[in-house]
Parts: sequence; structure tokens; C-alpha cells
Amino acid sequence: ILNVEQSPQSLHVQEGDSTNFTCSFPSSNFYALHWYRWETAKSPEALFVMTLNGDEKKKGRISATLNTKEGYSYLYIKGSQPEDSATYLCAFRVQAGTALIFGKGTTLSVSS
Amino acid sequence: DAGVIQSPRHEVTEMGQEVTLRCKPISGHNSLFWYRQTMMRGLELLIYFNNNVPIDDSGMPEDRFSAKMPNASFSTLKIQPSEPRDSAVYFCASTSLDRTEYGYTFGSGTRLTVV
Repeated sequence: ILNVEQSPQSLHVQEGDSTNFTCSFPSSNFYALHWYRWETAKSPEALFVMTLNGDEKKKGRISATLNTKEGYSYLYIKGSQPEDSATYLCAFRVQAGTALIFGKGTTLSVSS
Repeated sequence: DAGVIQSPRHEVTEMGQEVTLRCKPISGHNSLFWYRQTMMRGLELLIYFNNNVPIDDSGMPEDRFSAKMPNASFSTLKIQPSEPRDSAVYFCASTSLDRTEYGYTFGSGTRLTVV
């Protein structure tokens, strides 16, 4: 059974703090790694799709890195803002045409 | 595009009743997924379709659950008979098989409560 692990499960930071989360996945048969942002009462929204070892993607203050050989990805948020409060989901795919397997997410709460 | 459209948004039903959830994917997307979100398991894949064909239904909990995709613009997830443990938020998502650089687009979900 393929498993995607995310840590920490939840995180509370102060406005302006930088933070990062970890996603671990099986390093064999890797095809793609996705990150999603999921705000309360809304649907998950795609942040990044990463396919190559060493990939780094950035969107504003949020960035992500990928290490397919060791099976992990980091999501970084620089200078957290209250509007960054959400659950951040990592999802993994083993080959083209298959479905994403999601982790349980890291819930971030940013206080002003 | 209006995005992935799911209906109803909320459904409250009595145990034993049949429940049908509906999904309209984004036009042009050829993969459709049904996920269930619970506190215990997070987002759990139930079934997915590529080009209207069911590819993997191993996540469907039991025979009470069935899903169809009669055409490229419509899918249903049916639970018959429903049980209280089926209470969850059910999400539909779609994507294009040919554009793997994009992620999934999720619908707003259907919150199902079985009493």
C-alpha cells in the first residue's frame, strides 16, 4: 500500500514567521508530486506539480523542493500571514494515468 | 469555465435510503476522480475514470457504493443503502491526462449526513 506521510500534523506560528513542512513518499516508481492548499469550507487548490528530482517551484512567498531519490518534498512559507492559514496537502502519483494518493495534510494557523 | 460542479452541496438522509451524488467535470478534462474526506483517513480515493472508463475502483468501500460515468460531462456516485458511517464530504475532481503539469481541479464537495 502506497503511503504519503506529512509532518507536522498541525502548526501554529506568529505573523511574520517563516515555516516549512515535510512530505514523505515512496522513492520507487515516482512520477509526480503535487502540493495543494485547502482553506476551510473551500476545495483544495493546486499549488505546485513537481516531477524532476531537484525541482524547485515558487509562487509568491511559498516555495517547494523535491528529492525523488530519498522520497521527500519540503514546502516553505516565508513571512507567514494570517491568510496563509489553511491545510497544505501533499499528493503523490506513481505513473501517468494513475490517481493521486494524498497525505493527511499539515494544518497551519497563523496568528496576527 | 464554471469549474467542477457537484450537487447537491449538502445531503441529509435516513439510514437505508439511496443517495446519489453528481459531478460535472471541467470541459475537456478526461480524468475524473471521486474522493471521500474523513477525519480519520483524510482524502481517500474511491474510484477514478479515464476517458469515461473506470480504471481503479479498489477504494470503493463495499458493494453498497457504485459509480458511473455515462459520458464525458457527467458522473454519479451512488450509495444504496446508506449507513451512518458513510457520513463524510465527498469530492469530485477532474484533470487532463495530457497536461500532467497541471493539478486536479476539485469541486466544492457534497457533505453527506446519514442519520
